[in-house]
Amino acid sequence: ETGVTQSPTHLIKTRGQQVTLRCSSQSGHNTVSWYQQALGQGPQFIFQYYREEENGRGNFPPRFSGLQFPNYSSELNVNALELDDSALYLCASSSGLAGTDTQYFGPGTRLTVL
Amino acid sequence: QQQVKQSPQSLIVQKGGISIINCAYENTAFDYFPWYQQFPGKGPALLIAIRPDVSEKKEGRFTISFNKSAKQFSLHIMDSQPGDSATYFCAASSGSTLGRLYFGRGTQLTVWP
Repeated sequence: ETGVTQSPTHLIKTRGQQVTLRCSSQSGHNTVSWYQQALGQGPQFIFQYYREEENGRGNFPPRFSGLQFPNYSSELNVNALELDDSALYLCASSSGLAGTDTQYFGPGTRLTVL
Repeated sequence: QQQVKQSPQSLIVQKGGISIINCAYENTAFDYFPWYQQFPGKGPALLIAIRPDVSEKKEGRFTISFNKSAKQFSLHIMDSQPGDSATYFCAASSGSTLGRLYFGRGTQLTVWP
């Protein structure tokens, strides 16, 4: 069974640029959630996708957007990058929407905005 | 506003000792409380989880104690080992928030040999 994978591992961008992060969910999982983890903080929920539809969003501006594909893989897009967007971006997949469905996290993408 | 408050921020324990991490929450709608373990360069991994209908859950050396009236829960690591050195996060979710997890700020545990 393949776990959650994310690409790229690291990324450096400058302020104002756009970035796309990718996530492949664990086999059999149809739900993907994205989290932002700032240095020394706990992960903060960005949004969740279920069967290609956004199904809940945290307190993040519209320049954070996402997609889920028919194979349940997902993308996180961030436009007009700001310095505060520097963080570890985590993708988690689960087999359903319920809060009790275990979320399996990938290793994350470390984004640095200069 | 931090929905889940976690303490301490860091913890140093000798090998064989007991590590205790505490969390508190305000939202009484929360009905699922997982603990995650994160090693450097890795994503968080589920360690153990509890529902509020029980006061304690034990899995190996890891125990969650849950106090519904106080809205507090804690993780106890018995016989702590150097391999347990990691960052631990408590989290909470509810049926109304579906899969959204609210995380604490984390506790960096160091176990000295």
